[in-house]
Amino acid sequence: SQTIHQWPATLVQPVGSPLSLECTVEGTSNPNLYWYRQAAGRGLQLLFYSVGIGQISSEVPQNLSASRPQDRQFILSSKKLLLSDSGFYLCAWSSKADRVNTEAFFGQGTRLTVV
Amino acid sequence: GQNIDQPTEMTATEGAIVQINCTYQTSGFNGLFWYQQHAGEAPTFLSYNVLDGLEEKGRFSSFLSRSKGYSYLLLKELQMKDSASYLCAVVDSNYQLIWGAGTKLIIKP
Repeated sequence: SQTIHQWPATLVQPVGSPLSLECTVEGTSNPNLYWYRQAAGRGLQLLFYSVGIGQISSEVPQNLSASRPQDRQFILSSKKLLLSDSGFYLCAWSSKADRVNTEAFFGQGTRLTVV
Repeated sequence: GQNIDQPTEMTATEGAIVQINCTYQTSGFNGLFWYQQHAGEAPTFLSYNVLDGLEEKGRFSSFLSRSKGYSYLLLKELQMKDSASYLCAVVDSNYQLIWGAGTKLIIKP
């Protein structure tokens, strides 16, 4: 069965510090991968998605970047965090096998607080 | 632009029935999902509708009307553990998920 791992679960970082959140998927190959951010009381905002190794699409201009060095690894990074980067970050994957059903499976999420 | 509308918050009583509505305007339609998200946790899948009509799954049912751009999630025999946010998401013509902001459901005893 497929599983998705995301870490860390919680993170407190000072303003101006770097960030690296990692997400890995097991039990599937060539997945679509996503990074979402959810601000308090708000919906999911798609930050990045990737359809393959080295292929990253950015949905909104921001202080963050993403990379996909391996098929099942997706990394969210920042060189210098801003207070506005605080939020709940979710990694997700979906299968390319069935284009109609793009159900997303989520990792446990990372609660990032920038202080 | 693409838009998903849901009520921000709803309150219901334990044992009762509640209906959470979702209306959408998207570039194309390839299905609609409902997810449940407890506070501080990741969303989990509840239902998927691609054809008009009602899909029933235990205490939860989801309805879709593509001509009206409308869906609802119906929760019966409410339990305290149903207190959560419920997210509506539409698959657009590019097979991307467009998310609503979610409806926070508060269950009172």
